[in-house]
Formats: sequence, structure tokens, C-alpha cells
Amino acid sequence: GEDVEQSLFLSVREGDSSVINCTYTDSSSTYLYWYKQEPGAGLQLLTYIFSNMDMKQDQRLTVLLNKKDKHLSLRIADTQTGDSAIYFCALGDDKIIFGKGTRLHILP
Amino acid sequence: NAGVTQTPKFQVLKTGQSMTLQCAQDMNHEYMSWYRQDPGMGLRLIHYSVGAGITDQGEVPNGYNVSRSTTEDFPLRLLSAAPSQTSVYFCASSYSSGGTLYNEQFFGPGTRLTVL
Repeated sequence: GEDVEQSLFLSVREGDSSVINCTYTDSSSTYLYWYKQEPGAGLQLLTYIFSNMDMKQDQRLTVLLNKKDKHLSLRIADTQTGDSAIYFCALGDDKIIFGKGTRLHILP
Repeated sequence: NAGVTQTPKFQVLKTGQSMTLQCAQDMNHEYMSWYRQDPGMGLRLIHYSVGAGITDQGEVPNGYNVSRSTTEDFPLRLLSAAPSQTSVYFCASSYSSGGTLYNEQFFGPGTRLTVL
């Protein structure tokens, strides 16, 4: 089955850029997603990328997709305290599989 | 729109008891799914449905049953609860099951289940 891997923790200083990485095994997914989970809440879609794109930019967010290496990344520019959350990559068409999530911790 | 609603918010069960976690959505979404979230394990797909009358297994279906008799509702049944089923359960829905349309899933607030 699909395997989606993420590192579990990332600490970044406020104002710096955060880069969260994701690797996966099945490359047939039409879209790949990044979700954000704030404490005590469900997940919310942050952004997504179509599988035939290499990059997508949306304000402070940049998504990079390297299909050859099966690697997806999310860059958050000018990281703020409000960005502190768990970030999940997800992919799949009928079966949406999530990674384990990366907890982003912001240092003052 | 209420979005995706889940009941109850919290539940404590004894080993061997059965119960149903309720999930409803009022967005006329075809696709619905159940996940469990455990520390260090992320979200794992239990069951999903691409439309009324159609269900399929996810990554961790054992010990759980689902049915989809209407578009709006997608209940998750625990047949005989075990301590290993202690978790936070999330229901999600989306307009489609992907392919040509991106599949933004809308999540409910979760049910925190403890099995003693």
C-alpha cells in the first residue's frame, strides 16, 4: 500500500522560513495536499498541487513537487507564531492517505 | 451549513462494548471517510465511501463496520471495543473522490474515544 513519510518535528525561529518535507511511494495520485491541524481541532486544507506541476505559490506558501524522487515539500516564508501546528501531507484519489504529520514549533 | 458534524465529542467504553460514532454532512458531498489519529501515527484511514451504498476498506478496517444508506450520514460502528481502539476519530467529507477534481476534505471536530 501507499507509504507517506514525514519527519515528526521541526523547530524554526520566528521570521525564518520553514520547510516541511514529505516522501511517498505511490506516484499515481492526481493531486497532492498539505493540511494543517491546530491544537484540539480537525484538519484544514492548506494548499494542494496538481501532479503535473513542479511548483505552486500561494502567498507565504510554496509547494514543490519532485515526481522523479517522489518528494513533496511545503515552504512557509516569514514563519509566524500562528503557524505553530501539525502539518500533514496527503495524497491519493479514492483512498486519501496521510503522512504522520510534522509538528512545527516556532522559537521566539 | 453546519459542515461535518460528529457525535459524541467524548466517549468512554468498557472492553467488549459496542457503539456507533455518528457522522453527518450537509454539503451534499459524495465522498466520506473515517480516520483515527494516534500519537506518532498520524491519521490512518479506516473506511471510506465514494457514494451512497458504496463503502470500501482503508488501511486499518479491522474491528470497525460502516454503512452508507444516505448521502448525508456515514456512521462508524465498533463491534466489540478493545483498548487498542482508544483514539481520536475524525470523519471527513468531500465533493468528489478525486481524479479530475481536487479532493478537498472537510473534517469534523473529532470524537475522543477511550476504551478501558
